Amino acid sequence: QVQLQESGPGLVKPSETLSLTCTVSGGSMRSSYWSWIRQPQGKRLEWIGYIFDNGSPKYNPSLKSRATISVDTSKQQFSLRLSSVTAADTAVYYCAKVKGWLEVFENWGQGTLVTVSS
Amino acid sequence: EIVLTQSPATLSLSPGERASLSCRASQSVRSSLAWYQHNPGQAPRLLIYDASNRATGIPARFSGSGSGTDFTLTISSLEPEDFAVYYCQQRNDVISFGQGTRLEIK
Repeated sequence: QVQLQESGPGLVKPSETLSLTCTVSGGSMRSSYWSWIRQPQGKRLEWIGYIFDNGSPKYNPSLKSRATISVDTSKQQFSLRLSSVTAADTAVYYCAKVKGWLEVFENWGQGTLVTVSS
Repeated sequence: EIVLTQSPATLSLSPGERASLSCRASQSVRSSLAWYQHNPGQAPRLLIYDASNRATGIPARFSGSGSGTDFTLTISSLEPEDFAVYYCQQRNDVISFGQGTRLEIK
């Protein structure tokens, strides 16, 4: 069973860049898609984007090109960078493994809260 | 953008009862709908994908039905561990989620 764990700063200042890493264990990252999803408190889940093991990311257009997802299979990690953050980016951020090519999320991390505040 | 609307917002039932949760899409998503269970503080769990396919290890008491714009998640006989928040998700267009249904113990 693949396990995922998010890590990164819990507090980011407005206008700065949010950076998170997801470490994958219990299985190879090869030939799979890996995704980031977030949930502001009291709001619905929002898909941020996903990436295949060789790159080729796809993003939610609503983020207006602020998100960048990268992968390092040698470290069993993938990462999220979100630029020019505002208070609206305060959320619990989840990393997840995509089930095959089906664009559903079969394994999730427990999530990490990121607060944007000065 | 496809908007998913779940109902009811909260469902109060007792263990052993049958639960039916609804997810309605603002336009057709064909059968490209999934359901997740989430207990706060834990990782969400994939239950159903492509409207009616149970994910690996999911008990048979969970079933999904529907196509187009109307979908239902049914739990045939509630177990204590089933009381949680349930989300639907579509992948027919830009991936989006419903707002959730909280299943609570009556």
